Amino acid sequence: DAMVIQNPRYQVTQFGKPVTLSCSQTLNHNVMYWYQQKSSQAPKLLFHYYDKDFNNEADTPDNFQSRRPNTSFCFLDIRSPGLGDAAMYLCATSREGYEQYFGPGTRLTVT
Amino acid sequence: ELKVEQNPLFLSMQEGKNYTIYCNYSTTSDRLYWYRQDPGKSLESLFVLLSNGAVKQEGRLMASLDTKARLSTLHITAAVHDLSATYFCAVSGGGSQGNLIFGKGTKLSVKP
Repeated sequence: DAMVIQNPRYQVTQFGKPVTLSCSQTLNHNVMYWYQQKSSQAPKLLFHYYDKDFNNEADTPDNFQSRRPNTSFCFLDIRSPGLGDAAMYLCATSREGYEQYFGPGTRLTVT
Repeated sequence: ELKVEQNPLFLSMQEGKNYTIYCNYSTTSDRLYWYRQDPGKSLESLFVLLSNGAVKQEGRLMASLDTKARLSTLHITAAVHDLSATYFCAVSGGGSQGNLIFGKGTKLSVKP
């Protein structure tokens, strides 16, 4: 019954080593979002896809990229992770920008 | 620019007591959400408030929305330990893409 799935749930990567986080959904929602949440902070939107259209937030570092090969899947690529990128990464989906459904998150550790 | 302010940021309360969390936002929005987050977990949707005067209740939690005052409240009745968590309000930035702007969250601790 899982609706928004994120893999892996926990990811450890080395400083500077590229990493990819995955999100998939069974809701057939057209909008998919990626949020970064650092410890004791609110989630912060990095970018989102409206259908195939990519929308980057102005303050999202260039180090973060995203791909959406089809409706169901969306990937977050961190090209050269730094210690400051350690966080929980949350994927969410919505239909036409209505209520967002969040996945369980991926906890990223950078060593 | 849409801003969302929550208060208090930290709340320690005894079981059985009542309290209210406040969420103010700076510009007109058509949707307001309340989420619960347990430590190390994702966001759990509690309430979606869509119109002025909307009131929703689930168990010991009740949320309301006053769009004229740009204020939402989350009222906790007779708190129990299981309600300990961080509560976020989030406001839709509008448009068809529904970007959410979150408040900083209220960390609630309910003590026996």
